[in-house]
Amino acid sequence: AQSVTQLDSQVPVFEEAPVELRCNYSSSVSVYLFWYVQYPNQGLQLLLKYLSGSTLVKGINGFEAEFNKSQTSFHLRKPSVHISDTAEYFCAVSYYNNNDMRFGAGTRLTVKP
Amino acid sequence: DAGVTQSPTHLIKTRGQQVTLRCSPKSGHDTVSWYQQALGQGPQFIFQYYEEEERQRGNFPDRFSGHQFPNYSSELNVNALLLGDSALYLCASSLGGGGRPDTQYFGPGTRLTVL
Repeated sequence: AQSVTQLDSQVPVFEEAPVELRCNYSSSVSVYLFWYVQYPNQGLQLLLKYLSGSTLVKGINGFEAEFNKSQTSFHLRKPSVHISDTAEYFCAVSYYNNNDMRFGAGTRLTVKP
Repeated sequence: DAGVTQSPTHLIKTRGQQVTLRCSPKSGHDTVSWYQQALGQGPQFIFQYYEEEERQRGNFPDRFSGHQFPNYSSELNVNALLLGDSALYLCASSLGGGGRPDTQYFGPGTRLTVL
């Protein structure tokens, strides 16, 4: 069965510190991977995506993620966070010829001054 | 360039009632997907519409139905509302066709509260 696991439900971090939000997926076929951010009372905004090619993907707001096929992971990283990065982050996966995008449960990133 | 829009923003209904939510896709997109996001959870796929037909459906009962119009806008209908239907309903648009899924762009959502 297709599934996405976000390993941390909450990640508190101080401003200007680095952060990594972890995501693992289950699949035996080719996958397409996404990270979305959700600010309070808003919809989801695409941060970055991996469809093919280079395994290191750069997105908006200084975020990047690395696709690791052997470990079935797609962890999100940022070298230095800002207060404004405080939000809920969702990892999602899609599969070829399958329009059902599966989301993880989300990671609440809280950046403290 | 307008993004995905949804209406209404908020809605309060009582158990047993019916509700219709609306979505206009991003300009140039022809595919609309609907998701339910319960409080504290990730979005769950309800169904996807392409070429005015339901192309794929998630694990939701028949009380959830939809429609896509020739201008690609879409409606989500929920009948016989239950308390558990209270959630944020998200619409996402993308470019259809077959094969590789395209990136989905989300609207701001409709917050449905069932009393």
